Order: sequence, then C-alpha cells, then structure tokens
Amino acid sequence: NAGVMQNPRHLVRRRGQEARLRCSPMKGHSHVYWYRQLPEEGLKFMVYLQKENIIDESGMPKERFSAEFPKEGPSILRIQQVVRGDSAAYFCASSSGQGATNEKLFFGSGTQLSVL
Amino acid sequence: GQNIDQPTEMTATEGAIVQINCTYQTSGFNGLFWYQQHAGEAPTFLSYNVLDGLEEKGRFSSFLSRSKGYSYLLLKELQMKDSASYLCSTGGGNKLTFGTGTQLKVEL
Repeated sequence: NAGVMQNPRHLVRRRGQEARLRCSPMKGHSHVYWYRQLPEEGLKFMVYLQKENIIDESGMPKERFSAEFPKEGPSILRIQQVVRGDSAAYFCASSSGQGATNEKLFFGSGTQLSVL
Repeated sequence: GQNIDQPTEMTATEGAIVQINCTYQTSGFNGLFWYQQHAGEAPTFLSYNVLDGLEEKGRFSSFLSRSKGYSYLLLKELQMKDSASYLCSTGGGNKLTFGTGTQLKVEL
C-alpha cells in the first residue's frame, strides 16, 4: 500500500522559471494539503484541496502560486517565475476526509526546491 | 489565529526519559498532534490528544491540558534513533498549524 508519493524529490530552477511539484495521495484519500518548510522553521500551511476543489488557500501567496487537484491524476503545486525566496522543502499530506484537525495526516517525503 | 511554542532544541542521554513541552493559543481547537521528523524526511504521526489527560503508546506518551493550552510529549528509554525533530501541531477548521519543532539529540 503505497504512501503519499511526491515527485520530483529534488528540483532545481533558475530565477524566472516555473516549478511544478506533484503529489499523489495515499490510496483511498481524497484530501490533499500542501505545506512549505524553510530551514529552522516549522511547516507552514499553504493550501487544502479536495478533488476538483480548493477548500482553503489562505496560506498561499497571492501571486505566482497555484494548486490543483484534478479528478484524475496527482495534485500539482505550481510556482511561476520562481525567486530565490521560494527555495524550501514542499511537503504534501493526505487524509481520508474527516478534516485535517481531527485526523492524522500522512506526509510525502517532500520536494526540495532550489532556486539558483 | 494559532500560536504554538516549543523549545528549539533539547539533549538527552540514551536510556533516559525526556519531556518536550508545547504551549498553544488557538482560535479553534480540534485536538493536538505530535509528529516526528527525521532530517530530510517526511513528518510521521506519533500521537493525538483531544481530551485532557495522558495517552500512552509504547515508549511515547502525550499529555494534554486544554484549560492551560499545554501539552507534552514524553519519550522513555531513549534510543539513538529517537534523535529527530518533534513537531507540536493543532488547529481549527481545515488548517493544522505546526510549531517550529524541538530538535532532540540523543547522546551516548
């Protein structure tokens, strides 16, 4: 039973390029969460999605960042025109659907984004 | 909003007991989680408390006092592999907020 799968594991981009991070939730999970983690900092909530719906994007920067979770396929976190400050580890988590704050999350291994 | 405080780092000896404290202020509360994160790896679930009191699970126990906005994670019979960051998290609605984590170093 595969866990949460994220790819790529490492992603290097130059300033101004686009970064696309993919996340496949655990089998049977329909709720996906994206978090960002900077060195020496905690996990920061970005966005919560269900299939074809963005439920809560209050943690997403207003510009350059977008997320989707289509009916078929993985969830995608897209960062346009990346800047050095976007360099971080991006973690995806999934849950079965009772809501993030009263059921445990299963995390992927993260994508380490480095912007040159 | 949410505010979570926990010590930045702690050091303990193999075989000993260590307690990692967490205080929180939250506008909504649906329970408190502890996660373990080894360097470069995914956070993994350790415990969940929604009622006051102590939850014991093997070498790990977690305590919650909702009136005090306080929790602790107790690790017994420490092993070298317990060296990791321990994340306290809570929230309301759809958003789970994490503390910055307590980096635990277990020494011989």
